[in-house]
Amino acid sequence: GAVVSQHPSWVICKSGTSVKIECRSLDFQATTMFWYRQFPKQSLMLMATSNEGSKATYEQGVEKDKFLINHASLTLSTLTVTSAHPEDSSFYICSAFIADTTDTQYFGPGTRLTVL
Amino acid sequence: AQSVTQPDIHITVSEGASLELRCNYSYGATPYLFWYVQSPGQGLQLLLKYFSGDTLVQGIKGFEAEFKRSQSSFNLRKPSVHWSDAAEYFCAVGPSGGYNKLIFGAGTRLAVHP
Repeated sequence: GAVVSQHPSWVICKSGTSVKIECRSLDFQATTMFWYRQFPKQSLMLMATSNEGSKATYEQGVEKDKFLINHASLTLSTLTVTSAHPEDSSFYICSAFIADTTDTQYFGPGTRLTVL
Repeated sequence: AQSVTQPDIHITVSEGASLELRCNYSYGATPYLFWYVQSPGQGLQLLLKYFSGDTLVQGIKGFEAEFKRSQSSFNLRKPSVHWSDAAEYFCAVGPSGGYNKLIFGAGTRLAVHP
């Protein structure tokens, strides 16, 4: 149980285009999902907290107009990188939070974004 | 300030040897503590977690961790390492109760020699 999927697993795009990444909780409902960014050989940096049916909460320094987050249902959150540039190339990981007795985040497999 | 420190950036052990990965935290309240493992190009898999109760926590893949409040530590251990354990290990801390906004350590990369 507690499986989180991400799609696509990797994407290459041209500079200036937008890319959408999906995060799904497959066998549970997640009222809260998190989006992280990970640079090579570094730890995870929390970008934003996504709550179903409300606006995402962005961490300091994260451009909300650049990284659009939509949490339209209890099983799906999307991250859209708008007008992507090479510096946006990174590994993006989502997690879904189970707010029961476990209080645990379950992570997706990540999406590798390369912007040319 | 809330933080997690993993003092060892890189550790190499021989297959079959014991392993201990260190984690120290700074947190204002009683924290929830987690260890995650990340294989190359993959997301994070939860190894174990500590919320309360017995300070020695058993996890998956033969890992265990011990919470020591006096030392603000939550070290991960395994008695006999397998080659498949080579990966990046992250310690994380979050608030007790409610949804947990995790703070991650920098990670420890484990290499296993045959």
